[in-house]
Amino acid sequence: QSALTQPRSVSGSPGQSVTISCTGTSSDVGTYEYVSWYQKHPGKAPKLMIYDVSQRPSGVPDRFSGSKSGNTASLTISGLQAEDEADYYCCSYAGSYTWVFGGGTKLTVL
Amino acid sequence: EVQLLESGGGLVQPGGSLRLSCVASGFTFSNYAMNWVRQAPGKGLEWVSTISGSGGSTYYADSVKGRFTISRDNSKNTLYLQMISLRADDTAAYYCAKRRAAAGVYHFDYWGLGTLVTVSS
Repeated sequence: QSALTQPRSVSGSPGQSVTISCTGTSSDVGTYEYVSWYQKHPGKAPKLMIYDVSQRPSGVPDRFSGSKSGNTASLTISGLQAEDEADYYCCSYAGSYTWVFGGGTKLTVL
Repeated sequence: EVQLLESGGGLVQPGGSLRLSCVASGFTFSNYAMNWVRQAPGKGLEWVSTISGSGGSTYYADSVKGRFTISRDNSKNTLYLQMISLRADDTAAYYCAKRRAAAGVYHFDYWGLGTLVTVSS
């Protein structure tokens, strides 16, 4: 399984919106509606932000949204806040109880 | 409050062995499939292994198959990862993460802080 492809970095100013892409293949993102996104601050545990492509766990602000088209999933963060600065990882179920993650995207809030 | 606390990491020589543990609390452990995910320095996350709630089913990434063994003790609310024949590219922070053991659930809803494994001579 090859890692999902994410941009290494994105940036935006407070209040703006940013979108992080996550490109997989027809064996993972393209087949399964089980894309999840995780936020990771340095020294902290990864935190689930989006699951099943576009579902938000309780407690996650509605500024975070997810979508998918074909082999590419996306995470959009609107109304950027300073605390959103972190690394973001996408993950897709790949069948037979295996998963594949993306390489991670560093979000900088300018 | 859900807690996952990993331990057992450290410095080990190539070819050596190590056993990681993850103690869980705050939820019904046996109702959750448990997982190990790792992150090598400067790299992204990599799924390593999954075990069902009962412990009867296990799954591994190709990169660790035959060298790593996942197990659990539901009486102790503890997850394990036995690692043998360790290589330099196994150097990583190892995280345990839980996933609700139910049909159609394929995301990791809570993670621990991780334990660092360094394979070096």
